[in-house]
Amino acid sequence: AQRVTQPEKLLSVFKGAPVELKCNYSYSGSPELFWYVQYSRQRLQLLLRHISRESIKGFTADLNKGETSFHLKKPFAQEEDSAMYYCALSQGAQKLVFGQGTRLTINP
Amino acid sequence: EAGVVQSPRYKIIEKKQPVAFWCNPISGHNTLYWYRQNLGQGPELLIRYENEEAVDDSQLPKDRFSAERLKGVDSTLKIQPAELGDSAVYLCASRSANTEAFFGQGTRLTVV
Repeated sequence: AQRVTQPEKLLSVFKGAPVELKCNYSYSGSPELFWYVQYSRQRLQLLLRHISRESIKGFTADLNKGETSFHLKKPFAQEEDSAMYYCALSQGAQKLVFGQGTRLTINP
Repeated sequence: EAGVVQSPRYKIIEKKQPVAFWCNPISGHNTLYWYRQNLGQGPELLIRYENEEAVDDSQLPKDRFSAERLKGVDSTLKIQPAELGDSAVYLCASRSANTEAFFGQGTRLTVV
């Protein structure tokens, strides 16, 4: 069965420091990976997906099939990046599975 | 477009009472999801619809939970009777074949 693991429940970094939120997955096929973000008092929304290979708000994520990872990175954290981040995996037929989430706090 | 609309936003009920949540997905989205999110955890799938058909309800506690998506558009999720452990945020999301999943604001249920 597919599974998404986010090993860090909490992550705190200083403004301007690099950020890396870890995500590992288990799935036997060819997965589609996403990062969703939830800012305070807002709904869950897509941050980026691996197939688009684009940078959103300075964040990037590379799918590493050998390590079954999809870590989210940003070189210089900003205070507005403070939020809950969820890694998610989608397999064929639209099933969508989420990790437990990481609460990112950017300290001034 | 309003996006995925859920109601109510908040609900407080006594245990053993029934409760229902409503979701209006984005127009044209065939796939509809109901998730439950407990405090400090990620969303957990309860049921997934493709149009009006429930294609994945393996995680739905069928002794007390039921759902329907008549005409393949709006959906309702019902709990009867509610238990204390059902307190959570219930999320609805919709998706088409070429898009990511879009989420509603959620319904925060408190069972007392």
